[in-house]
Amino acid sequence: DAKTTQPNSMESNEEEPVHLPCNHSTISGTDYIHWYRQLPSQGPEYVIHGLTSNVNNRMASLAIAEDRKSSTLILHRATLRDAAVYYCILRDDKIIFGKGTRLHILP
Amino acid sequence: DSGVTQTPKHLITATGQRVTLRCSPRSGDLSVYWYQQSLDQGLQFLIQYYNGEERAKGNILERFSAQQFPDLHSELNLSSLELGDSALYFCASSHNTRTGKETQYFGPGTRLLVL
Repeated sequence: DAKTTQPNSMESNEEEPVHLPCNHSTISGTDYIHWYRQLPSQGPEYVIHGLTSNVNNRMASLAIAEDRKSSTLILHRATLRDAAVYYCILRDDKIIFGKGTRLHILP
Repeated sequence: DSGVTQTPKHLITATGQRVTLRCSPRSGDLSVYWYQQSLDQGLQFLIQYYNGEERAKGNILERFSAQQFPDLHSELNLSSLELGDSALYFCASSHNTRTGKETQYFGPGTRLLVL
């Protein structure tokens, strides 16, 4: 089963960029890297995904290492509404979420 | 709003009982996934159905079963309930399961409390 490793928690100041790391050293060539987040009292929501190249969307950017063994989710300007648990997932048949990173945003 | 609906929102029952959780996927989505989230275990994948057939299995107990109906809605049946089954149960859907880039859309969850 594909597994990921993330820090348990991180803290950032409001309106500053946030870099959330994820290690996935056992990634296979066909695994996509997905990021989801879960706001308090809600179901997880999709943030971004990628395979090899860096990706940008309106929510965030995803930077993928050249060897694909790690990736970083970048929130360019964190707001209080970005406080959530962020999950890095390798998408294959069995979807393993792990414990994620709890992001705290300081006003 | 993800477009995925789950009923009921809350469920309180007693040990030994059986309950059924229901999920309606987004319009056009063929895959349905079930997850369990408890405080100490995080988000655990239980099972996936694709167009009515079981596609992948995770950490689903034998006391639990699921099915996906021809109209693509899905039900998760939990029987012989134990205190430890108290958790949030999420359903998610995606269009298909053929590629790893499929995005999952999660419902709001059903909170189950077993007393």
